[in-house]
Amino acid sequence: NAGVTQTPKFRVLKTGQSMTLLCAQDMNHEYMYWYRQDPGMGLRLIHYSVGEGTTAKGEVPDGYNVSRLKKQNFLLGLESAAPSQTSVYFCASSYSRGRTPQHFGDGTRLSIL
Amino acid sequence: GNSVTQMEGPVTLSEEAFLTINCTYTATGYPSLFWYVQYPGEGLQLLLKATKADDKGSNKGFEATYRKETTSFHLEKGSVQVSDSAVYFCENEKLTFGTGTRLTIIP
Repeated sequence: NAGVTQTPKFRVLKTGQSMTLLCAQDMNHEYMYWYRQDPGMGLRLIHYSVGEGTTAKGEVPDGYNVSRLKKQNFLLGLESAAPSQTSVYFCASSYSRGRTPQHFGDGTRLSIL
Repeated sequence: GNSVTQMEGPVTLSEEAFLTINCTYTATGYPSLFWYVQYPGEGLQLLLKATKADDKGSNKGFEATYRKETTSFHLEKGSVQVSDSAVYFCENEKLTFGTGTRLTIIP
């Protein structure tokens, strides 16, 4: 049982480049989330989705876009990467929002030079 | 407002010591509360949870009691092991995480 799988695991970009992070879950969860983790700041919610075809903004959405075309996949895009977006990105999914725990991927370490 | 305040780290203890990591929350109503653990290079894993007041969550020797009178969900373990070294996060059901507490256990 794979759970939540994130690709890639590592990436280095130059300022201004674009890229897409992929998250896939095989638990048939309706809810999916993208977080960023920075030292001393815990996890901050970027965007989330309550089901296929839906997306919503979280706490720190600026500079990111997301899409949920298929229930099992949640994509996070950076259109024009900036050094401030250097972080570790985590995807998570859950059966429902709030009352059930989240299942996390192993993270993507992204460096913007 | 909606927030989670977690004990700042890092915390360093000797093996077999008693552990407490404090977590308090502010929220409307009585949200479900969770503790997650993150080992190096991995994502967060659920450690334990409590869904209503006075509930006690427990797992792997860790315990936390949902106390509405003090709006707290402190994590405790009676005798820590080196393998417990990790970062611990408190979360409420509003997708709000504490800043994480790094725990290091010395043999």
